[in-house]
Amino acid sequence: AQRVTQPEKLLSVFKGAPVELKCNYSYSGSPELFWYVQYSRQRLQLLLRHISRESIKGFTADLNKGETSFHLKKPFAQEEDSAMYYCALDLLGGGATNKLIFGTGTLLAVQP
Amino acid sequence: DVKVTQSSRYLVKRTGEKVFLECVQDMDHENMFWYRQDPGLGLRLIYFSYDVKMKEKGDIPEGYSVSREKKERFSLILESASTNQTSMYLCASSSGAGAPHIRRNTGELFFGEGSRLTVL
Repeated sequence: AQRVTQPEKLLSVFKGAPVELKCNYSYSGSPELFWYVQYSRQRLQLLLRHISRESIKGFTADLNKGETSFHLKKPFAQEEDSAMYYCALDLLGGGATNKLIFGTGTLLAVQP
Repeated sequence: DVKVTQSSRYLVKRTGEKVFLECVQDMDHENMFWYRQDPGLGLRLIYFSYDVKMKEKGDIPEGYSVSREKKERFSLILESASTNQTSMYLCASSSGAGAPHIRRNTGELFFGEGSRLTVL
């Protein structure tokens, strides 16, 4: 079955420390993966997608098909990075499987 | 700028009441979605729609129905609210791609601010 796993409910780091938010997926087809972020009192929004290979707000994520992972990384955390982060999987392949499956989310808390 | 508007930010209803949650988007998006967001469970898809009058069940459709009479509006209906439907409900939209009968989600969902429903 298709699944997105985020093993950490909470990740607490100090400002300036590296950050890695873990995401593993289970899907036999060709995955398209995303990271969404929800800052306090704001709506959920797209942070980045693997297909774009871009860095947004200093965050990057690399798709590792061998390990079925899509971890989100940032070398130096900032206090404004504190938010809830969701990893999401888009099921490709046509037919009716055109929807995003979300993980359970990881709350990132960056301490001053 | 894409705008997805959910009509009610906070609702309190009693068990057994019928509840309507309305969502409107202004970007002419083909796809619209209803999720519920619960701590520790993440976002779970209730229903989605790729076109007017078209709907498909998501992962947790039981106890819910939807209506899409116009392209810009997608309504979630709780026929008889129960306490286990107390949750944050998120509406989202996205542009579609491909043939009309198979509209692929382009990946970026635009979310509303959410409707927090409490069922007593």
